[in-house]
Parts: sequence; structure tokens; C-alpha cells
Amino acid sequence: NAGVTQTPKFQVLKTGQSMTLQCAQDMNHNSMYWYRQDPGMGLRLIYYSASEGTTDKGEVPNGYNVSRLNKREFSLRLESAAPSQTSVYFCASTLKGREAKNIQYFGAGTRLSVL
Amino acid sequence: GQQVMQIPQYQHVQEGEDFTTYCNSSTTLSNIQWYKQRPGGHPVFLIQLVKSGEVKKQKRLTFQFGEAKKNSSLHITATQTTDVGTYFCAGPYTGANSKLTFGKGITLSVRP
Repeated sequence: NAGVTQTPKFQVLKTGQSMTLQCAQDMNHNSMYWYRQDPGMGLRLIYYSASEGTTDKGEVPNGYNVSRLNKREFSLRLESAAPSQTSVYFCASTLKGREAKNIQYFGAGTRLSVL
Repeated sequence: GQQVMQIPQYQHVQEGEDFTTYCNSSTTLSNIQWYKQRPGGHPVFLIQLVKSGEVKKQKRLTFQFGEAKKNSSLHITATQTTDVGTYFCAGPYTGANSKLTFGKGITLSVRP
């Protein structure tokens, strides 16, 4: 099993450009998440999807959109990138339920720079 | 809103020294999780504590959940260079157990 796979690993954008960060998990997990990590700020939740067909805003959703394409895939879109969106983006997934303990499994991350 | 706090954000220790860090929540937690992120890597789950006063050990790492379930600690005995990284604690959002609130993490550096 590959776990959680994110693409691309690195990306440089110019201000105003758009792009989609891809995330796929092969663990049959219900819930998926997008976080951004900035120095001194920890992990901040952008959007999440509790189950296929649902998405909800997290702590810092402005400037982003998401799509839960199917149970495996959860993409994050930047419609008009801004320098403030320079960050490391992590996708995570979890299998809901007491037995699963709601442990989150993270992808390797996408390092995005917006110039 | 719910907050999970980790202070300080950085700590430097000499190899072989013990290290302890704390995590405090503004609300009572049903459980608390700890994750480790190596430099340049991604967060990896370490452990979950569920019961009041629970203590769990993983080799040189000891995790404890407070009696009131509002705080937790991580103690590393005789730190090694392999312990370098950022340690996050996380608790579930109230009413939505699949979401987690992460602390800002503590970054540990170890001098050989």
C-alpha cells in the first residue's frame, strides 16, 4: 500500500496563477483533510471531507476550494495564487470509528512557492 | 474555540539529557494523540491516550494523559540525535471526533 500520495512534491507559481494539488489514499479511509504548515504556526486545517460527497471549511479556507472526487481522491485548488499561500501543504486521511482511533495518516507534502 | 497549546516552540538539549514537553487544552479531551515530524518529512502518528491518568511507553519515550484530561506530557529519556524533529499533540474537535486540533508543536534539536 502506498498510503497517502500527494502530487506534485514541489511547485513554483506566479501570483494570480491557478493550480490543483492532488491527493489520493489507498487505505479505504472515510475522511480526508488538507492542512497547511507555516513556520511557527503548526498545522492548520484548510478543508476536510468527512465522507465521500461532503466537504467542509476548516480554520483557514479563504483562497482555496476542494473536491472530493471519490472515496480515494481529495483535491485542493488555488484559483488565484497569492504570496501568502506560500507554504507546505499536507493531505491526510483517517478511518472513522472507535476501533480506528481516528489516527491521521499524512502524505509527504507539497512545497509551494508563490512569487 | 478549542485550543491546544504547546510551549515552548523550540528546545535544544545535549545528547544524553532527558527532555520533557507539555501540551495543554482549553477544553476536556476525549483522547489525545502525539505525532512526530522529522526535518523535511511529514507528521507520523506516535501514540494515542484515552484514559484519565494513562501512561504509555515506547522505548525511551513516555507519554502521560492528565487526570483532568486537559493536558499531556511527553518525556524522552537520554535523548539521541534520532529524536530530532517536531512533536505535535492533537485533540479531537468537540462533537466531531474525526477532526483534530493540532498544537503548534515543539521542535527538538539535539547536540551530539
